[in-house]
Amino acid sequence: QVQLVQSGSEVKKPGASVKVSCKASGYTLTGYYIHWVRQAPGQGLEWMGWINPNSGVTKYAQKFQGKVTMTRDTSITTARMELRRLLSDDTAVYYCAYSTGWSDIWFDPWGQGTLVTVSS
Amino acid sequence: QSVLTQPPSVSGAPGQRVTMSCTGSSSNIGAGYDVHWYQHLPGTAPKLLMYGNNNRPSGVPDRFSGSKSGTSASLAITGLQAEDEADYYCQSYDSSLGGSVFGGGTKLTVL
Repeated sequence: QVQLVQSGSEVKKPGASVKVSCKASGYTLTGYYIHWVRQAPGQGLEWMGWINPNSGVTKYAQKFQGKVTMTRDTSITTARMELRRLLSDDTAVYYCAYSTGWSDIWFDPWGQGTLVTVSS
Repeated sequence: QSVLTQPPSVSGAPGQRVTMSCTGSSSNIGAGYDVHWYQHLPGTAPKLLMYGNNNRPSGVPDRFSGSKSGTSASLAITGLQAEDEADYYCQSYDSSLGGSVFGGGTKLTVL
């Protein structure tokens, strides 16, 4: 059974970068993807992109291209999402979520979420 | 603006049946891509409620059902319970955007 455990809350100043990690256990080695989804205060869920931990291939939503980088470590059990040039609008809970593909797929399970607060 | 459109809120009394809609377009739901539903309680991770339009994961009560037709999908909840009060999101894939998309969410209030 797949489980995803994320890193803890972060407080950053505008213009800084933040890196959130997502450790997976119980997954199959091949054929899975880690997606990142965020929810700003009072807003809905917003898909940011995915990474295939096995190949390192990534796909980002157009809105986040140039601002986000998704990586995985060499053990391919931990995925990371780095968000650069933070603005107050980037204050949100960031979730990682598991899927078995990149299109026409659902997300299950999800990590517990990581609150990123951007404030001067 | 979300790519998939959901009503901001729905409500119902305990025991009643409620439905909530999710409207897309020809590049997502209308293109044949499946719709999936999540239940989201404040302070917790979203929970998969329905996948592949009308399939319930293990542990989800059969009070929950889903359907899809054309460019829209619906989630129905029968025998409404207080614990069903949550935000509900639909999700699909959009071929024009090349990625997954969510609805704006529907807040269910149990009166």
